[in-house]
Formats: sequence, C-alpha cells, structure tokens
Amino acid sequence: EIVMTQSPATLSVSPGDRATLSCRASHTLVTNLAWYQQKPGQAPRLLIYGASTRAADIPARFSGSGSGTEFTLTISSLQPEDFAVYYCQQYNNWPPTWTFGPGTKVEIK
Amino acid sequence: QVRLVESGGGVVRPGTSVRLSCATSGFTFRAYGMHWVRQAPGKGLEWVASIESHGNDQYYADSVKGRFTASRDNAKSIVYLQINSLREDDTAIYYCAKERGGSYYFESWGQGILVTVSS
Repeated sequence: EIVMTQSPATLSVSPGDRATLSCRASHTLVTNLAWYQQKPGQAPRLLIYGASTRAADIPARFSGSGSGTEFTLTISSLQPEDFAVYYCQQYNNWPPTWTFGPGTKVEIK
Repeated sequence: QVRLVESGGGVVRPGTSVRLSCATSGFTFRAYGMHWVRQAPGKGLEWVASIESHGNDQYYADSVKGRFTASRDNAKSIVYLQINSLREDDTAIYYCAKERGGSYYFESWGQGILVTVSS
C-alpha cells in the first residue's frame, strides 16, 4: 500500500507571495501523480497531472514538479481565489488504486 | 460541456443499503472510466471505487471491498455505487468523477451527494 504525506498541513501566505507545497510517497511513483484544489463547499478540481502537466484552463502560476517519491506544487503568486485545500493523489498501475494525501490548507496570512 | 450529477443520498440506517447514481452528459460516456471518491465531514478525500469504460473491471479501496459495488449503464450514461451494510463511518459526501482521456486522473467531478448513516 502506498502512503501519501503532505507538508505543511497549513501554509499561511500573503496574496502575491509564492507558495510551495510538498507531497511524498512511500514508494516510487515515477510521475503518476496529480494535484487537486478544493474550495469550501465545492468539488475538487484537477490542477496538475503526470506530476507536471497543467490541466485544461489552469493558470500558468500553478506548476508541478518532481518524480519518484518527492513532488512539489508551486503557486508563483497567490491570488485571492487560490486560498483552498490542495491534495496530491497517486495512481498505482497494478492493482489499480488511487490514494490521496491528507491535504495542505493554504490560508491567508 | 461535461456534467455529472449524483443522486440517491440522504439519511440511512446502519446495516441497510443505498444505491447512488451519477447521471452524466456532455461526453461519450462509454469511452471513459468512472470513479467514486468520498469525503467524510471535515476530512480529506478518499478514493473508494472505479469502473472501467466497458464495465467489466472494477477496483475498490481495501476499506470498502466486499461492501461497495460499482456498476454502469452505458446506454443511459449512468454510473452507480451500491453500498451495503452501511456503517456510521460511511457518512460522507460521495463524488463521482470522470477520468481524463488517456490517463487515470479525475478530470471532471460531480457536485457530490451526502450520505448520512445514523440510527
């Protein structure tokens, strides 16, 4: 079983600042990793897949990097609408399973 | 425009069953795998079940294996989640999600449906 961890649990950032969120997998994932954003009362939204590819209509200020067991989501200049919870998710080929990390809450400083 | 609409939730008694539905539109349903993810109140996301596009293969989280069954009707563009022997810790918002074509990431999500298990 692959276990996902995220750090920090909460990130306090000022609008306009850069935010760096980390995700670690207990086993190597190559690049089978995605990032999702969830705002209160809303469904999650896919931001990044394949560790570094932005999904459709996702602004360029969101970027993903990493491989193996260490992954990073960077928001280059936080906008007011970016304050939310961010989850990483791994996909394991066989048996097919998906695991979410516990999430990082990005809050206004 | 992709649209996913869950239904079938509500307050249910422990030990009983419920079937959730996810009606879809705006894409070629039979070409995509579909997934179910749940979120307990105030908690994170938990993947629970997936079903391949043809419906012949399903996959489940260990935590729900044996009690949850995913199925689909490709003629009606609906995916289902049958939950048996409901427990209080099944209380959650249940989301259905469409996979991104050519990958196994969850590209589009429904608004979710709340299932509350309580006596």
